[in-house]
Order: sequence, then C-alpha cells, then structure tokens
Amino acid sequence: GAGVSQSPSNKVTEKGKDVELRCDPISGHTALYWYRQSLGQGLEFLIYFQGNSAPDKSGLPSDRFSAERTGGSVSTLTIQRTQQEDSAVYLCASSPPGQVYEQYFGPGTRLTVT
Amino acid sequence: ELKVEQNPLFLSMQEGKNYTIYCNYSTTSDRLYWYRQDPGKSLESLFVLLSNGAVKQEGRLMASLDTKARLSTLHITAAVHDLSATYFCAVDISNFGNEKLTFGTGTRLTIIP
Repeated sequence: GAGVSQSPSNKVTEKGKDVELRCDPISGHTALYWYRQSLGQGLEFLIYFQGNSAPDKSGLPSDRFSAERTGGSVSTLTIQRTQQEDSAVYLCASSPPGQVYEQYFGPGTRLTVT
Repeated sequence: ELKVEQNPLFLSMQEGKNYTIYCNYSTTSDRLYWYRQDPGKSLESLFVLLSNGAVKQEGRLMASLDTKARLSTLHITAAVHDLSATYFCAVDISNFGNEKLTFGTGTRLTIIP
C-alpha cells in the first residue's frame, strides 16, 4: 500500500521567508510525527499528534515553528521567518493505533535556506 | 534528559566479517527500535524490541535488548556490501507508548569488498 508521502521533496528559500511542508500519513494511522535531521544535531523530534488529543510540541525549537493536522490526516509544518540554521531534512512519520508499532517514515523534505 | 549513544560512529569492515554496533541509553525503557538509512533516503524500520532479553533476527542482522544494562546491540554476521548504510537506534520512554523517539547518533557502516 501507499506509504507516508511528503511534499515538496526539496525546497530552497531565502532567509526570512515562510515555508510550509506537507505530510500525508498512511491511511488509518492515528499518530503522526515530525522530526528534523541535520548534520549538526542528528535526528530530533519536533512534534507529535495522536488522534484528537492536544499535540506534543515539546520538540519545536522556537515559536517560528508550528504544525497542524487537519481532519486527523494531513499535517502541515510551517516555519516562519526562516533562518539558515533551519536548513535540514524534515521527516514525517506515522503509526497505527496501539503501543507496539514502529513509526513509518516518509521520504523527507530537504529544506535549504539561503 | 534521555541520552542515546551509539558506537562506533563510523565502521568500515570487510565483507564476510562479523561486527557489533552498540546502543546505550540513559533512562529506563523497554521499547527500542533499530532503523536503517541509505544515503539520500528515509528511515527503514529493521527491528522493534519490546522487552528485556528480546532478540530478533533478519538475515545477517540480529538485534538484542538488555533493559537492565540499558544496552541494545545490532550484530552483523558475514557482512555483505548491500548492508552498507547508516544504522540508528531509537528509544521511546513515553508513559503510554509509541510517542516521540529519541535517536542515537547513528553508525555509518561501510562494507569493503
């Protein structure tokens, strides 16, 4: 079946601009996660959505970062006033209901801030 | 704060040899995951380890978990070139399970013919 999809696959933006990154989770998966992978920081958790519960935003690095999940499915990660240190690969993952399933990762969006 | 450390960070080994990658973590957890990442690609799930003493094997890879020692190992047997990749362990310490993962630094494995 279809896996997690993300768009765009690559995004180049100028410093100070806003960007939106999209994630389509696997159908039926109730949990959705955003991670960031960068050379300096490795793989970092950003935010986690589970069903209709309030999201866990504990990994968001600053208030320039926000995310929403509409209708319990598609999610958008928004970065306002991008900075060069925001350059990274942003990975989305989803998992089905329950405690024992691994997270299935999408292909990522490579963001470059110039 | 949970810390997850892997060693070695880089590993170059000859085909046919055996080796082990280690993953240590700082806080009690009984949920540990191993992922593989090929260059320019996303993360592929390899193993899910959910209890002390858990051992799982797939092909030339075998993963184990010792929750008392807070240690997981990924053992490679008779390495072949297509195992070249970066391997990450990840730990979940959430109360209800399947929440955010804390990843190790990754081990970049290169298999030399």
